[in-house]
Amino acid sequence: DAKTTQPPSMDCAEGRAANLPCNHSTISGNEYVYWYRQIHSQGPQYIIHGLKNNETNEMASLIITEDRKSSTLILPHATLRDTAVYYCIVRVLHQTGANNLFFGTGTRLTVIP
Amino acid sequence: GAVVSQHPSRVICKSGTSVKIECRSLDFQATTMFWYRQFPKQSLMLMATSNEGSKATYEQGVEKDKFLINHASLTLSTLTVTSAHPEDSSFYICSARDPVGPWGGTEAFFGQGTRLTVV
Repeated sequence: DAKTTQPPSMDCAEGRAANLPCNHSTISGNEYVYWYRQIHSQGPQYIIHGLKNNETNEMASLIITEDRKSSTLILPHATLRDTAVYYCIVRVLHQTGANNLFFGTGTRLTVIP
Repeated sequence: GAVVSQHPSRVICKSGTSVKIECRSLDFQATTMFWYRQFPKQSLMLMATSNEGSKATYEQGVEKDKFLINHASLTLSTLTVTSAHPEDSSFYICSARDPVGPWGGTEAFFGQGTRLTVV
């Protein structure tokens, strides 16, 4: 699985959009970009994933550059409950097999009142 | 999304004793479950992959005789920390894959974690 690079920490004002970047310059053509977050002392929570098209769901939007070497997770209106560590993971999807996830260091997002 | 439940959420045990942690998939059958360990202010580290009906696959550096994994049914995997020592104190997290879920069986859902403290 390709390695990812994320800033260690970010702050965002409550109600504003939080834009979390991720570099994955060695991503291969069959690797997806996944985002998870972990609120303190809880298990990780799935947010969104994509291959090459931008994706949006009820939680966030995922913007993947055309060359797929980087992506941005967007939380459109950050709330205090969005304070967490956000992990960007790239991996190949296997319809069978382990599908285990390898977590990097992530970005600690702090939403400020 | 699918629900994965871990029990207990917190446990304190004496050094030298064994502790069992359960991971259950509540609304789906999981042929594969994963066990992670997380030390304070660090990321999750995969310990092992648990396969229903067969032996677990351990990551390099993880002692299989110390961290016993049993996946006897499609909804339950257990991790037993044997002869626990203070250095085993950590946050243990399981995840499970829903093979027929909305993401085509590729997504993993996480339990809420178990904080183990060995005194």
